[in-house]
Amino acid sequence: EDQVTQSPEALRLQEGESSSLNCSYTVSGLRGLFWYRQDPGKGPEFLFTLYSAGEEKEKERLKATLTKKESFLHITAPKPEDSATYLCAVQANTGFQKLVFGTGTRLLVSP
Amino acid sequence: NAGVTQTPKFQVLKTGQSMTLQCAQDMNHEYMSWYRQDPGMGLRLIHYSVGAGITDQGEVPNGYNVSRSTTEDFPLRLLSAAPSQTSVYFCASSLHPSETPDFGPGTRLLVL
Repeated sequence: EDQVTQSPEALRLQEGESSSLNCSYTVSGLRGLFWYRQDPGKGPEFLFTLYSAGEEKEKERLKATLTKKESFLHITAPKPEDSATYLCAVQANTGFQKLVFGTGTRLLVSP
Repeated sequence: NAGVTQTPKFQVLKTGQSMTLQCAQDMNHEYMSWYRQDPGMGLRLIHYSVGAGITDQGEVPNGYNVSRSTTEDFPLRLLSAAPSQTSVYFCASSLHPSETPDFGPGTRLLVL
């Protein structure tokens, strides 16, 4: 059974304090791993898709990396506007219509 | 493009009542899906469609019906609401099932 585990559940950072969010996964053949950002009361907003181990993608203060067992979302010098819940999801090669989501990491960045 | 739109934003139902959650997209996406999000759990797939006239069940389909008569619309029907269906419902769409889905703003449903 495909499974995604995210850690920590919640993370509190000071503005400028860099850190990483973890997404561990088991999947029967990875087609893609997705990172989304979700603000309170809103739908998930797409950030990155990673397809193979060793791949990295960056967007502003965010950088996503992928290994065969986990993905990291690195946040460099975060700002209060980066506060949100970050969701990780995997898509398998078979039954690729379905995304399997983790429970997310709630990030709070204090000024 | 308006993207993925959902109505209503919020709804309160009594147990046993029926309702339809609306989802529409104007991007000519073939693939559409419905997820529910509950506290402490990841988003879970309810039903999906790979094109007009084609639907299939996801991980948690019980208590929900769907149909896809047009490319643009994918309504989710609750025939007899139960308190266990209290949740936030998200519709998503993509051009192809293998592509990254775009999510709508969600419908918050409370069943009393």
